[in-house]
Amino acid sequence: ELKVEQNPLFLSMQEGKNYTIYCNYSTTSDRLYWYRQDPGKSLESLFVLLSNGAVKQEGRLMASLDTKARLSTLHITAAVHDLSATYFCAVDKGDGGSQGNLIFGKGTKLSVKP
Amino acid sequence: NAGVMQNPRHLVRRRGQEARLRCSPMKGHSHVYWYRQLPEEGLKFMVYLQKENIIDESGMPKERFSAEFPKEGPSILRIQQVVRGDSAAYFCASSLKETQYFGPGTRLLVL
Repeated sequence: ELKVEQNPLFLSMQEGKNYTIYCNYSTTSDRLYWYRQDPGKSLESLFVLLSNGAVKQEGRLMASLDTKARLSTLHITAAVHDLSATYFCAVDKGDGGSQGNLIFGKGTKLSVKP
Repeated sequence: NAGVMQNPRHLVRRRGQEARLRCSPMKGHSHVYWYRQLPEEGLKFMVYLQKENIIDESGMPKERFSAEFPKEGPSILRIQQVVRGDSAAYFCASSLKETQYFGPGTRLLVL
C-alpha cells in the first residue's frame, strides 16, 4: 500500500528564514505534486514533478524530486507571512490501472511570524 | 475558463437523509475525481470517473456512497442515509493530463 509521509506536520517560522518540508513515499511513483491550502479553501496546485531530478521554482518556493530515494522536498526561501498555509504533497498511485488516484500526505501547517 | 465548480458549498443534513454533491469539471476536462477531507487531515481518494464510466472506486465505502458522471451534466456524489461520521469536506477535481485542479469543496455537516 502506498503511503506518503510529510514532516514536519507543523512549522512555525520567522520571516526571512529558510526551511525545508520533506515528503517521503513508500513505493515507486513517477509523479509527485505539491498543493497549498488556505484555511477553509480549496487546494491550489503549486508544482508537478514528473521525473527523477526534477526541480521547479516559483517565487520563494522550490520543489525537487528524487525518485530513487522516494523523497521530495519543498524549500522555502526568505519566508514571508503570505506563505502561511498548509502544504500537501501527493503521489500518483499510478499502478497502470488507475492513474489519477492521488495519495496525500497529512500536510504541513506553516505559520510565518513577523 | 471557469474553474472546477461544486455546489452546494455548504450542506447540512440530519442523520438518515440523503446528500447530493455536484461537480462541474473545467471546460474540456473529461476526468473527475472525488476526495474527502476530515479536519486537520489530508485528502483521501474516493473515486475516479470519466464520462459515463467509473474508472477506480477503490476509495469508496461499500455502502451508502455512489458516484456518477453522466454524458450530460455534472458529476454527482450521492450519500444515502447519512451518519455523523460523513461530516467532512468533499472535494472534486478534474484533469486533462497530469495536474488535477480542485474545486472549492462542499462542506457537509450531519446533525
